[in-house]
Amino acid sequence: GENVEQHPSTLSVQEGDSAVIKCTYSDSASNYFPWYKQELGKRPQLIIDIRSNVGEKKDQRIAVTLNKTAKHFSLHITETQPEDSAVYFCAASTGANSKLTFGKGITLSVRP
Amino acid sequence: DADVTQTPRNRITKTGKRIMLECSQTKGHDRMYWYRQDPGLGLRLIYYSFDVKDINKGEISDGYSVSRQAQAKFSLSLESAIPNQTALYFCATGRGGRASDEQFFGPGTRLTVL
Repeated sequence: GENVEQHPSTLSVQEGDSAVIKCTYSDSASNYFPWYKQELGKRPQLIIDIRSNVGEKKDQRIAVTLNKTAKHFSLHITETQPEDSAVYFCAASTGANSKLTFGKGITLSVRP
Repeated sequence: DADVTQTPRNRITKTGKRIMLECSQTKGHDRMYWYRQDPGLGLRLIYYSFDVKDINKGEISDGYSVSRQAQAKFSLSLESAIPNQTALYFCATGRGGRASDEQFFGPGTRLTVL
């Protein structure tokens, strides 16, 4: 089955700097890659996703890039703010009738 | 607003007890999922259901069972709880279909097995 890995497990950045979180996946048939954000004590929520027919997608300060050859995708957050501090999960699936496989999550801390 | 709700929100029980966690949704979604979250292990899928007559095992289904009573309700049972089932449990829903794979999570149930 699919295996999704996130490294490192924690990341600390200064407010205003950029943060990049990378995930790798194992199944070349995977074609959908979402990112979920979980604030402390809250439920995970989708922040951005990308399908395999595009290489990059942006939404204000966040963007996701996909490299299908290398089987990795990354979340980019620019001009980080304290409210960006959270656990970020990447995931992958092989299509609309399949399930999501999540990575273990990375804790992002934004220092004021 | 349409939402996903879980009951109870917190539960402490003893080894060997039978426990049921309930999930209800008013989003009108066909797909429902149960995950557990453990520190450092992320979200792991226990069971999922694409409609009332469809139940599928996830990656960690041993020790758990589910019931899809209606489109809006999906319950998770621990027949004989053990301490390593102590975790945060999330229910999630999804529309399904090519246009949308987003999953919407409930608030979670924190289960402690003593």
